[in-house]
Amino acid sequence: QSALTQPPSVSGSPGQSVTISCTGTDSDVGSYNRVSWYQQPPGTAPKLMIYDVSNRPSGVPDRFSGSKSGNTASLTISGLQTEDEADYYCSSYTSSRTYVFGTGTKVTVL
Amino acid sequence: EVQLVESGGGLVQPGGSLRLSCAASGFNVKTTYMNWVRQAPGKGLEWVSVIYNNGGTSYTDSVKGRFTISKDNSKNTVYLQMNSLRAEDTALYYCAKENYNKFDFWGQGTLVTVSS
Repeated sequence: QSALTQPPSVSGSPGQSVTISCTGTDSDVGSYNRVSWYQQPPGTAPKLMIYDVSNRPSGVPDRFSGSKSGNTASLTISGLQTEDEADYYCSSYTSSRTYVFGTGTKVTVL
Repeated sequence: EVQLVESGGGLVQPGGSLRLSCAASGFNVKTTYMNWVRQAPGKGLEWVSVIYNNGGTSYTDSVKGRFTISKDNSKNTVYLQMNSLRAEDTALYYCAKENYNKFDFWGQGTLVTVSS
């Protein structure tokens, strides 16, 4: 199972919006609405930010939103804040009854 | 409050074995899917294994036949027995609670280093 493809890095100024893509295949992202996004600041454990493509757990700011089209899911951070600086990973359930993570994207707030 | 505390990591020679533990509190592993996810130094997340509430298991291809996930419901603890360890197994190993195909709680991880 190959990792889902994410851009290595994205950046934006405070208040701007950034979008991270997550491209998979018909065997994972394209077949299931079971895509999650995780935020991982340096030296910390991942934190769930989005689940089932576009749902936010309680406590996650509504600046974070998710979507999916075909084999590509996306995470958008609107109104970027300095505390959003972290690595972000997507994840999808697969047809093999396993999970696959994305390659990871470093978000930098300029 | 949900807590996951991993232990058992350390330095091991190639070909050696380790058993990781994940002590859970605030919920019951008997009724929960539990996963192991690893992260090599400076690299991304990699899903390793899951144990279902009924004891069924699944593994990523690279660890099949070498790693075994198990649990002790009476101790509310999940284990990962790792045999025939390789340098590429070096990573921080996280225990993660699964809730309907999302990993909603994570431990802080335990570091496994495979080196001679």
